[in-house]
Amino acid sequence: NAGVTQTPKFQVLKTGQSMTLQCAQDMNHEYMSWYRQDPGMGLRLIHYSVGAGITDQGEVPNGYNVSRSTTEDFPLRLLSAAPSQTSVYFCASSYRDRGKKLFFGSGTQLSVL
Amino acid sequence: AQTVTQSQPEMSVQEAETVTLSCTYDTSESDYYLFWYKQPPSRQMILVIRQEAYKQQNATENRFSVNFQKAAKSFSLKISDSQLGDAAMYFCAYSRLLMDSSYKLIFGSGTRLLVRP
Repeated sequence: NAGVTQTPKFQVLKTGQSMTLQCAQDMNHEYMSWYRQDPGMGLRLIHYSVGAGITDQGEVPNGYNVSRSTTEDFPLRLLSAAPSQTSVYFCASSYRDRGKKLFFGSGTQLSVL
Repeated sequence: AQTVTQSQPEMSVQEAETVTLSCTYDTSESDYYLFWYKQPPSRQMILVIRQEAYKQQNATENRFSVNFQKAAKSFSLKISDSQLGDAAMYFCAYSRLLMDSSYKLIFGSGTRLLVRP
């Protein structure tokens, strides 16, 4: 019973590098999303998807790309890392009904030097 | 703007006592959902309790209950018989409906709960 699997758990990047955070869920959830958590600001939505082939922007999308080629996978790409992207990133999934519980991955601590 | 406000950055409670965490929100919707999530030091996000706005009855889950005041747009979390394992960051969240009929969770800034033995 894997739930939401998010990798890596920790990553250090240099300014300008690119990388992909991986997220996979095995619950056949239509809805998947990426949040970033910064001290004193709670969690903020970066991008979300309501199904394969469908993605949309959240509150803080700049500097990030996503794609959803399958129901299971929703990777987040940092195009050119900046120190402002130092944060903890969470992937989450759920059924499309907004009253349902969000299942979160274990998070990625990203530091951009 | 639809926002969620948690005005208490940190709270402290004696073990076995009761503590209430505050949350207010702003919305123009009449039907929506509210949540409390717990984040222990492990960083894992755990759903504590959920409230449907059209239900007048306050949600309860074991030692956790809410005081939902729809007119005041207030959604506080009460933890009874506090335990050491309750020490965590607590986030209030509001589920906002989007144009494409999907949704997003809007989170408050969090309240860190300390439990004194």
